[in-house]
Amino acid sequence: LAKTTQPISMDSYEGQEVNITCSHNNIATNDYITWYQQFPSQGPRFIIQGYKTKVTNEVASLFIPADRKSSTLSLPRVSLSDTAVYYCLVFGGSNYQLIWGAGTKLIIKP
Amino acid sequence: ETGVTQTPRHLVMGMTNKKSLKCEQHLGHNAMYWYKQSAKKPLELMFVYSLEERVENNSVPSRFSPECPNSSHLFLHLHTLQPEDSALYLCASSQDPRGAGLNEQFFGPGTRLTVL
Repeated sequence: LAKTTQPISMDSYEGQEVNITCSHNNIATNDYITWYQQFPSQGPRFIIQGYKTKVTNEVASLFIPADRKSSTLSLPRVSLSDTAVYYCLVFGGSNYQLIWGAGTKLIIKP
Repeated sequence: ETGVTQTPRHLVMGMTNKKSLKCEQHLGHNAMYWYKQSAKKPLELMFVYSLEERVENNSVPSRFSPECPNSSHLFLHLHTLQPEDSALYLCASSQDPRGAGLNEQFFGPGTRLTVL
């Protein structure tokens, strides 16, 4: 099973770009990489998902190198409201092996 | 507005009590999940139901008993719990992701459970 590793915490400032990297050395061929955001007292919320190269949506970008052993969530121009815990999830599309990372607590300062 | 509701939001129970957690999704999904979230631990997947059939059980103790009467409702029946079972219990739903890749799960707000 793929195991994911993320930094425990990160700090940044408003207006900066923030990059959070997740390692998943044992990722399988069929696995997808998904990122979620969680605020206190709420359930996680989907941010973005990818399989390889780069994916971009209205809130973030996801960069996945060719070997797919890591992925980087990029948040452009963060604001105070981006303070949250960010989870990396590796998911095998052929079964329900959902391997969640421990989460990265991101703190944005003014 | 996530479309996934959970009740109750908070629950305190003794080790000899029996209680149930309820989850309801209004998104037309056909897969539902129970997760346990303890402090400083990754999210732990407990159960997965797809098309009302249990498809995954990650070695969860028998004191937790899930029930999925239809694709919109999911229950977690609790009995003779231990203090270490105190945690946030999250319900989620999605379209069945097998073969499709996409696994956008929609989570409820969770039930904060305290076992005394």
